[in-house]
Amino acid sequence: GAGVSQTPSNKVTEKGKYVELRCDPISGHTALYWYRQSLGQGPEFLIYFQGTGAADDSGLPNDRFFAVRPEGSVSTLKIQRTERGDSAVYLCASRFSLDAWFFGPGTRLTVL
Amino acid sequence: SQQGEEDPQALSIQEGENATMNCSYKTSINNLQWYRQNSGRGLVHLILIRSNEREKHSGRLRVTLDTSKKSSSLLITASRAADTASYFCATVRGSNYKLTFGKGTLLTVNP
Repeated sequence: GAGVSQTPSNKVTEKGKYVELRCDPISGHTALYWYRQSLGQGPEFLIYFQGTGAADDSGLPNDRFFAVRPEGSVSTLKIQRTERGDSAVYLCASRFSLDAWFFGPGTRLTVL
Repeated sequence: SQQGEEDPQALSIQEGENATMNCSYKTSINNLQWYRQNSGRGLVHLILIRSNEREKHSGRLRVTLDTSKKSSSLLITASRAADTASYFCATVRGSNYKLTFGKGTLLTVNP
């Protein structure tokens, strides 16, 4: 595709539910990143994949958050037992070189 | 944790004026990038400056980098209402291949 795509664009769920957020990176980009952005803040790093493996997951806030990239392309961010504090925009980015990151439009997650 | 701090947090100017936003960071970097974000959604890459560069231009954008002061500035000349957005600086450090963002500057350009 032409850019990074994320689905769904909006997700509303109830506290305690499980959600999956999907990211389709630009074809051929081996590096993929997940960020979380709360209102009025800058994006905060969650996890970084190089190929299929998580090269750095130091930003995941707790064990309710998990992400996979089984074939080195599409990635899914999974959040268990959602809490109201998880409400944010979740951004995905991919890159081929260190000089150019490409961000998707984000998924706005609202936990009621 | 966030590496950069943008200054000011919010800036309101009239169309045609220049807008200057500043960014400070804490540790040595490989490069510094500026991004634009409309309505809290997708980030658009504007310009990148490497640690061995001092100034770069792209259209109406001018970025400077002072590694001794660990600071950068973004200048938008002849601003337009369409420039209204949030602007973020982000740094890449050493072998840490992730972007670390500041909190951003909300720029409002009044027609």
